[in-house]
Amino acid sequence: EDQVTQSPEALRLQEGESSSLNCSYTVSGLRGLFWYRQDPGKGPEFLFTLYSAGEEKEKERLKATLTKKESFLHITAPKPEDSATYLCAVRFLGGSEKLVFGKGTKLTVNP
Amino acid sequence: GAGVSQTPSNKVTEKGKYVELRCDPISGHTALYWYRQSLGQGPEFLIYFQGTGAADDSGLPNDRFFAVRPEGSVSTLKIQRTERGDSAVYLCASSRTPPDTQYFGPGTRLTVL
Repeated sequence: EDQVTQSPEALRLQEGESSSLNCSYTVSGLRGLFWYRQDPGKGPEFLFTLYSAGEEKEKERLKATLTKKESFLHITAPKPEDSATYLCAVRFLGGSEKLVFGKGTKLTVNP
Repeated sequence: GAGVSQTPSNKVTEKGKYVELRCDPISGHTALYWYRQSLGQGPEFLIYFQGTGAADDSGLPNDRFFAVRPEGSVSTLKIQRTERGDSAVYLCASSRTPPDTQYFGPGTRLTVL
């Protein structure tokens, strides 16, 4: 069965303490891996799409990378406003256009 | 409006009642998606429309759930004979043309008492 697993479930950082979130996937033919940010009580907000191993995307303090089996979301010198749940999702061959999500990583950045 | 909008933002109903949840996609987006998110979980796919037709409804949990998009824009998710297990946040997303990025609305929080 196709699966997306995110780790850790929760991460607490001090402001300025860089770290990485992991998303591993087991799908039969990746057609895109997506990162979203979700604040409490709101819908997911799109961050990045990655399509092939070796691809990288950056936005402010965030950088997403992709290998054949996993993706990392690197957070450099985080600020308290980066606190949120980060969701990873995949689209795969034979899966129509639906996204399959992981459970997310809840990031807390303390000042 | 620039984004996906959903109404109501909150809905409280009693077990056994019928509810309708509405989604207004971003103007010009031809694809529309419904997901359901339970506490502590990621969104779970329900149904996907391309234009007026349901292109994939494999995520609908049972025949109490039904969705329509009669004019290819606004969509309504309908739940009959609600059960306590239906309590969740129902998210709608839209995209220009698949496989474009899916943009999500704020969700409707459904509580079944």
